Amino acid sequence: EADIYQTPRYLVIGTGKKITLECSQTMGHDKMYWYQQDPGMELHLIHYSYGVNSTEKGDLSSESTVSRIRTEHFPLTLESARPSHTSQYLCASNSGTETGELFFGEGSRLTVL
Amino acid sequence: AQSVTQLGSHVSVSEGALVLLRCNYSSSVPPYLFWYVQYPNQGLQLLLKYTSAATLVKGINGFEAEFKKSETSFHLTKPSAHMSDAAEYFCAVSPLGYQKVTFGTGTKLQVIP
Repeated sequence: EADIYQTPRYLVIGTGKKITLECSQTMGHDKMYWYQQDPGMELHLIHYSYGVNSTEKGDLSSESTVSRIRTEHFPLTLESARPSHTSQYLCASNSGTETGELFFGEGSRLTVL
Repeated sequence: AQSVTQLGSHVSVSEGALVLLRCNYSSSVPPYLFWYVQYPNQGLQLLLKYTSAATLVKGINGFEAEFKKSETSFHLTKPSAHMSDAAEYFCAVSPLGYQKVTFGTGTKLQVIP
């Protein structure tokens, strides 16, 4: 069982609100990722980090931002949520070994009204 | 660049029947290949991975997959479906294991009693 945790699991908010999705892992992994998942679509990488103070944008453009101040913590923030941000957000990590197995959290389902 | 194609967004099988989920990939370099499973309201969990050690890969819960370079395929099979196998299955590819992983669009497996 992977030790990677996401909160909140479900969030319903109004347009214009600021939200932060939390992601923490206790495996000491340097590499962490945020994916966006919509029904019938592939998982899209929106942010990744290869270590503390290192963050990069992924393949899918996103208005969200991330930070990596501690190895175990990789929060995602939306300054002003819009209905187009409604989606499931999955956090993942790996140890950086060549095989690249990803460990996923249970996801945060965001609904913006 | 790499990509993954999963044939069939929905597959239905009877309990006890063979499960076959199809995945074709493209990669400019020899790939690492993965199958992940996602149960309802959960994150993704690794089922199995191909890392060039053996072309027939065995995973958890009785699943296995065969890497066929000539067909650029990595189909997932299980001899006898169980009700607990109902989930969504994602094929994924990475040219080097620790690089960014590209996922397919997923196949939802329904098991009929």
